[in-house]
Amino acid sequence: DIVMTQTPLSSRVTPGQPASISCRSSQNLIYSGIADLSWLHQRPGQPPRLLIYRISDRFSGVPDRFSGSGTGTEFTLKISRVEAEDAGVYYCMQAAHFPYTFGQGTKLE
Amino acid sequence: EVQLVESGGGLIQPGGSLRLSCAASGFAVSRKYMIWARQAPGEGLEWVSVLYSGDKTDYADSVKGRFTVSRDDSENTLFLQMNSLRPEDTATYYCATSYITPGGFDYWGQGALVTVSS
Repeated sequence: DIVMTQTPLSSRVTPGQPASISCRSSQNLIYSGIADLSWLHQRPGQPPRLLIYRISDRFSGVPDRFSGSGTGTEFTLKISRVEAEDAGVYYCMQAAHFPYTFGQGTKLE
Repeated sequence: EVQLVESGGGLIQPGGSLRLSCAASGFAVSRKYMIWARQAPGEGLEWVSVLYSGDKTDYADSVKGRFTVSRDDSENTLFLQMNSLRPEDTATYYCATSYITPGGFDYWGQGALVTVSS
């Protein structure tokens, strides 16, 4: 199984400051030039919400302060200027190979 | 409007069975990748199963042989049949679909809580 390792596991950021979360996969996720690596955000008591898919494509309605980047095994989610509503837990998820797997989650405060 | 609504959760004794439903609207379940994922209380997300390309399925090792994913096209509903339930299956179960984002799951239901306890 592909193991997804996120760092840090928690982060406290002042509103207006940037934030960055890393996700490392135990295997290369790229096949045929694409990688099914996505980022989701979850607030307490809410279902996850898709932010980024295929490493760097922003889902409809997601603010442009969110951006994704990465290569075959190293991926990063960046928030250019954190807002209060960005608090919650962020997960990376790989859907390149079965079984699909999530990172452990990064709590952003 | 795309919407997913789970139902069927509840309290069940160890060894028992439960069937979760995920009623979809705004798209045809038969035409999209559909997954079940779960989240134990206070824990992270865990992928459970997938139904795709018609009737292809796959499962996490932790549920393989006990859980079965299926769909009813007439009801446009996804199901998760859970047998031989264990206390460690206690979680909120979410269904989700890859509606317009290839490789990403863009619509999620609100979740159904399953508690396995005597």
